[in-house]
Amino acid sequence: AQSVTQLGSHVSVSEGALVLLRCNYSSSVPPYLFWYVQYPNQGLQLLLKYTTGATLVKGINGFEAEFKKSETSFHLTKPSAHMSDAAEYFCAVSPGGSFGNEKLTFGTGTRLTIIP
Amino acid sequence: KAGVTQTPRYLIKTRGQQVTLSCSPISGHRSVSWYQQTPGQGLQFLFEYFSETQRNKGNFPGRFSGRQFSNSRSEMNVSTLELGDSALYLCASSSYARAPPLGEQYFGPGTRLTVT
Repeated sequence: AQSVTQLGSHVSVSEGALVLLRCNYSSSVPPYLFWYVQYPNQGLQLLLKYTTGATLVKGINGFEAEFKKSETSFHLTKPSAHMSDAAEYFCAVSPGGSFGNEKLTFGTGTRLTIIP
Repeated sequence: KAGVTQTPRYLIKTRGQQVTLSCSPISGHRSVSWYQQTPGQGLQFLFEYFSETQRNKGNFPGRFSGRQFSNSRSEMNVSTLELGDSALYLCASSSYARAPPLGEQYFGPGTRLTVT
């Protein structure tokens, strides 16, 4: 079984400040980890993913995340927040690596507000 | 490439009716997954189809069903609608052009279903 916990349902940061969105996961098999962003009235857009290899992954729009197995974490960061980053962010896990295991389990989401 | 498309985008139905939602995956993608998004329960996996076969199923009642056609397009049906079925229904497609699959899913804009 897999699960994802996102700490903080709402996060507010000032424009230009560091963005840090927290995600911890539980998985009985090596996980694939994802961050998705959702803008109002839209679907989910993939920001970045970790499958294997380098634990620091870079995504679109200046976001990056680091896979820390010892801490079972996959926190999302961005050095400098922009007004356009305001959205809801979802962390997700899947038991990837083999066919038939593509089900994504999502966290409850973090709504990011950018203060001008 | 065109993205995942879902029709209709908005739908209003009455309790007891049934509804069919449609999803066209990205060209070449053979896997289609469906998710339900509600404020209370978040994003929940409904089912996944690959090559016209249901491979994974979430924990939803039998009123929720789906199918996939030979061109990978998928439909989702909900019978005997209940007020609690009001939600955003998201479709996602995946490609298996390489092995092992990377697990990343590309989402459509969703169908907003309102049950009155």
